[in-house]
Amino acid sequence: DADVTQTPRNRITKTGKRIMLECSQTKGHDRMYWYRQDPGLGLRLIYYSFDVKDINKGEISDGYSVSRQAQAKFSLSLESAIPNQTALYFCATSDRRTGYYGYTFGSGTRLTVV
Amino acid sequence: AQKVTQAQTEISVVEKEDVTLDCVYETRDTTYYLFWYKQPPSGELVFLIRRNSFDEQNEISGRYSWNFQKSTSSFNFTITASQVVDSAVYFCALSEARGTSYGKLTFGQGTILTVHP
Repeated sequence: DADVTQTPRNRITKTGKRIMLECSQTKGHDRMYWYRQDPGLGLRLIYYSFDVKDINKGEISDGYSVSRQAQAKFSLSLESAIPNQTALYFCATSDRRTGYYGYTFGSGTRLTVV
Repeated sequence: AQKVTQAQTEISVVEKEDVTLDCVYETRDTTYYLFWYKQPPSGELVFLIRRNSFDEQNEISGRYSWNFQKSTSSFNFTITASQVVDSAVYFCALSEARGTSYGKLTFGQGTILTVHP
């Protein structure tokens, strides 16, 4: 099993629908991140959490919310999906001891909003 | 704030050519890490290398080599004798050890490398 698992891997949803992307990890890391990838823009940070009670906005948090249900689970929600949220989404983890150099990424969730 | 710039949006080469991917970064921190990731057509991110700010020694791994120069804030990546399997999107990234950006990984825009047979 992968260290960082994202579900679903692919999702097509309609404009206005609420959708949740889930991330779970077996690394035992305390830090988790959600990134969004768009062509020509690289990966941009949406939200990050340094522990279960700590949630922080990244550079592009508008239109998104997150929930850290446990140390191992970090979910990203789109309350009302819109087409320009079509992107590849990555979850990542790191450990506070190696927090700025040891990252593990999930395989990504490809989301299409029609 | 930290920033990473990959000025080359797309590069196209013929197999066996050498190719260099440029990466320029900005940071106010003296302690930071630089990374290169490969994203093949399947979409996952593949970690290639990590280099800390105190280690300017260049690194070679097979056909891959990296040139880190703090004086020009650059961390360039060279593929020698490129192969079709090297076709991918390559990302340079930076993380800081202190300050408001601590622990957050900042990516460049990515360079699409296409290697033609």
